[in-house]
Amino acid sequence: GAVVSQHPSWVICKSGTSVKIECRSLDFQATTMFWYRQFPKQSLMLMATSNEGSKATYEQGVEKDKFLINHASLTLSTLTVTSAHPEDSSFYICSARDGQGGLSYGYTFGSGTRLTVV
Amino acid sequence: EDKVVQSPLSLVVHEGDTVTLNCSYEVTNFRSLLWYKQEKKAPTFLFMLTSSGIEKKSGRLSSILDKKELFSILNITATQTGDSAVYLCALNAGNNRKLIWGLGTSLAVNP
Repeated sequence: GAVVSQHPSWVICKSGTSVKIECRSLDFQATTMFWYRQFPKQSLMLMATSNEGSKATYEQGVEKDKFLINHASLTLSTLTVTSAHPEDSSFYICSARDGQGGLSYGYTFGSGTRLTVV
Repeated sequence: EDKVVQSPLSLVVHEGDTVTLNCSYEVTNFRSLLWYKQEKKAPTFLFMLTSSGIEKKSGRLSSILDKKELFSILNITATQTGDSAVYLCALNAGNNRKLIWGLGTSLAVNP
């Protein structure tokens, strides 16, 4: 089945630094990647949708200059949290669908990145 | 506005019990409804439903969709402690393929 590899699994960084999270589709071409954030005991919150080769579409209330998304190839999308602050601490998850109209078993998720900003 | 409502929000049962989780929705352009299980990490896919009345089954889990009444149920029979998780329902609607998520049902199965 389709696999999305997400790295790192967890990261602790100092306030003010930037953190890059990568998601790679291993056996399919991810034309669209969704980036989510999830706070404890809450549901997934969509942050942005990125399509390969074009600018990401951000959801209302998500700062595009703070959460930089790059989707330069069909197998790699990155989310960079710039100048991270403690309130950015959260669980970040990517999800991909392939370029063939969707996988028969839905959208594939990465394993998530737990970010802690101290 | 498209939305997904799951009930109950949490549930505690004993091993061997059968549970039914509900997902109701409102949508202007339905494409599919998906069920996911989330333990400590990212959600794992369970089912994708597109047609009414066709049950999908995987082991002790099954799900069905009613597009007339706008809901889906997820059944788990003979529950085990390993079924303890948050079960998320998501709606695929619209042309941009983004998913609309419910808040989830937190299931705890006690031995």
